[in-house]
Amino acid sequence: AQSVTQPDIHITVSEGASLELRCNYSYGATPYLFWYVQSPGQGLQLLLKYFSGDTLVQGIKGFEAEFKRSQSSFNLRKPSVHWSDAAEYFCAVGDYKLSFGAGTTVTVRA
Amino acid sequence: EAGVVQSPRYKIIEKKQPVAFWCNPISGHNTLYWYLQNLGQGPELLIRYENEEAVDDSQLPKDRFSAERLKGVDSTLKIQPAELGDSAVYLCASSSTGDGGNTIYFGEGSWLTVV
Repeated sequence: AQSVTQPDIHITVSEGASLELRCNYSYGATPYLFWYVQSPGQGLQLLLKYFSGDTLVQGIKGFEAEFKRSQSSFNLRKPSVHWSDAAEYFCAVGDYKLSFGAGTTVTVRA
Repeated sequence: EAGVVQSPRYKIIEKKQPVAFWCNPISGHNTLYWYLQNLGQGPELLIRYENEEAVDDSQLPKDRFSAERLKGVDSTLKIQPAELGDSAVYLCASSSTGDGGNTIYFGEGSWLTVV
């Protein structure tokens, strides 16, 4: 069975500081991995995805994620956070059926 | 290119009333999904269509929920009768294959409150 764990429910970060969101997955084969962001009252926007190849993937809005098979992880990073990055972030694994984590809420303080 | 379009965006109904949500997927996407997102949780798949065929509806509560995708484009999700516990966000999504995998794109969601 496929599943995702996001260990951090809520993270607070200062504007301009770096951000890392953790994601651990369970999947029987080579995983397809995704990060989505959801702003209040909005749907899910795709930040980035990993299917194969280079384990460091670049996404939109300055985000990147690194796939580590040995750790079953796909952590999301951003070097310098902007106030507009305050949102909920979801990690997901799967192909035609995605399994999502419970999400991490990011608060950005001035 | 237009994204996945959903309507209505927000709906408040009384319990036991019916409600319907409409979705127009990204042009050219044959696969369409309905996901349910409860407050504070990640989305969960309700049903997946390949063209007109529902290929995975194992998580759809068929006693009160129904869905259709006529002509393999637009889709409608219906709840009848609605219960208080149905208050949630109903997300429609569509997908395309490429870059070695299947990428799912979501709409803005239909936010349902049952009172």
